[in-house]
Amino acid sequence: DTAVSQTPKYLVTQMGNDKSIKCEQNLGHDTMYWYKQDSKKFLKIMFSYNNKELIINETVPNRFSPKSPDKAHLNLHINSLELGDSAVYFCASSRQGDTGELFFGEGSRLTVL
Amino acid sequence: AQSVAQPEDQVNVAEGNPLTVKCTYSVSGNPYLFWYVQYPNRGLQFLLKYITGDNLVKGSYGFEAEFNKSQTSFHLKKPSALVSDSALYFCAVRDMYTGGFKTIFGAGTRLFVKA
Repeated sequence: DTAVSQTPKYLVTQMGNDKSIKCEQNLGHDTMYWYKQDSKKFLKIMFSYNNKELIINETVPNRFSPKSPDKAHLNLHINSLELGDSAVYFCASSRQGDTGELFFGEGSRLTVL
Repeated sequence: AQSVAQPEDQVNVAEGNPLTVKCTYSVSGNPYLFWYVQYPNRGLQFLLKYITGDNLVKGSYGFEAEFNKSQTSFHLKKPSALVSDSALYFCAVRDMYTGGFKTIFGAGTRLFVKA
């Protein structure tokens, strides 16, 4: 069983479109995250949620809207896609109150044409 | 602000030789430090962490890391490198000023192990 799973693995779309990425974790963790990895492999946090509540929004444009319907799911919807949104988006989870190691999904590679 | 720096973009080592991947940190308070590894087209995997206690921490796949408070370093080491260790390695610090809900990553160091 995959611990943190993301779908889809690949998205190719045109500028201006809207797309969503879904994430689910079966580890029983309380905290979930979205990270963006750019073409130079820099990793930057976008959002973190704890028990479905938004905790961190790292000055991400409001075209990006995360949603956490329950503790096990954190989805990312992106409106009006731009070329600069092309990246690999990683979902991760961790246990609240623990030492904080992150468990990552396999990533969703978004290409905006 | 909490940060980590990885001064080397790339480290090359021959199989069987010891390897070191460097990391320095800048944190206020006690650091929560981590190493992660990323293989091509995969997510990051946790290798090891330092929270408190012994300065030498052991992790997965034979890796270890040495915490040095005076030098503010947390270098990743392995006594004998394998070709399969070739990957991208990230040092990271957990930002406790945000309640621990943010982990900040270094820029990554690409490790090449030659047979």
